[in-house]
Amino acid sequence: QSALTQPASVSGSPGQSITIYCTGSSSDIGGYNYVSWFQQHPGKAPKLMIYDVSNRASGVSKRFSGSKSGNTASLTISGLQAEDEADYYCCSYTNSRTRVFGTGTKITVL
Amino acid sequence: QMQLVQSGPEVKKPGTSVKVSCKTSGFTFSNSAVQWVRQARGQRLEWIGWIVVGSGHTNYPQKFQERVTISRDMSTGTVYMEVRSLSSEDTAVYYCAADRGGSGDVFEYWGLGTLVTVSS
Repeated sequence: QSALTQPASVSGSPGQSITIYCTGSSSDIGGYNYVSWFQQHPGKAPKLMIYDVSNRASGVSKRFSGSKSGNTASLTISGLQAEDEADYYCCSYTNSRTRVFGTGTKITVL
Repeated sequence: QMQLVQSGPEVKKPGTSVKVSCKTSGFTFSNSAVQWVRQARGQRLEWIGWIVVGSGHTNYPQKFQERVTISRDMSTGTVYMEVRSLSSEDTAVYYCAADRGGSGDVFEYWGLGTLVTVSS
């Protein structure tokens, strides 16, 4: 199972909105509504932000939202803040009953 | 308070095995699912496998199917991950994560990670 494809980096200014795309196939993203997004700060464990495509995890700001269209999932961060600077990973259930992570995207707040 | 406490760092020689533990507390262990994820330095997250605690059912991607075993001890609320035939490519931080509802979709609780170094 190959990793899902994400852009290596995305940047934005404080207050802006940015979107991270995660592309897979009909064997993973396109076939199931089981996409999660994780935030990871340097040296820290990942933190669940979104599960089941669009559900925010407990305590996660409403500035974070998720969606899916076909084989591509997306995470949008609105009102970008300095604390949002981190690596973000998508993760999808697959038709092998396993999970696969994306390649990861580094978000930089300018 | 939900907690996952992982065992300490390991240094192993190529060809040997390592077993990392993940002790849980603060939720009903038998209703949960636990996954293992690893991350080599500067690299992406990589999914290793998971266990549905109540049934003991496990699943692994093809890459790890022959070398990894995930198990659990119901009496102590601990999940274990063993990796065999280690090589330098297995050097990474290994994380456990729990979904207290057991669906396998909501891995909200994470351990701090265990560094496994494979070196001759």
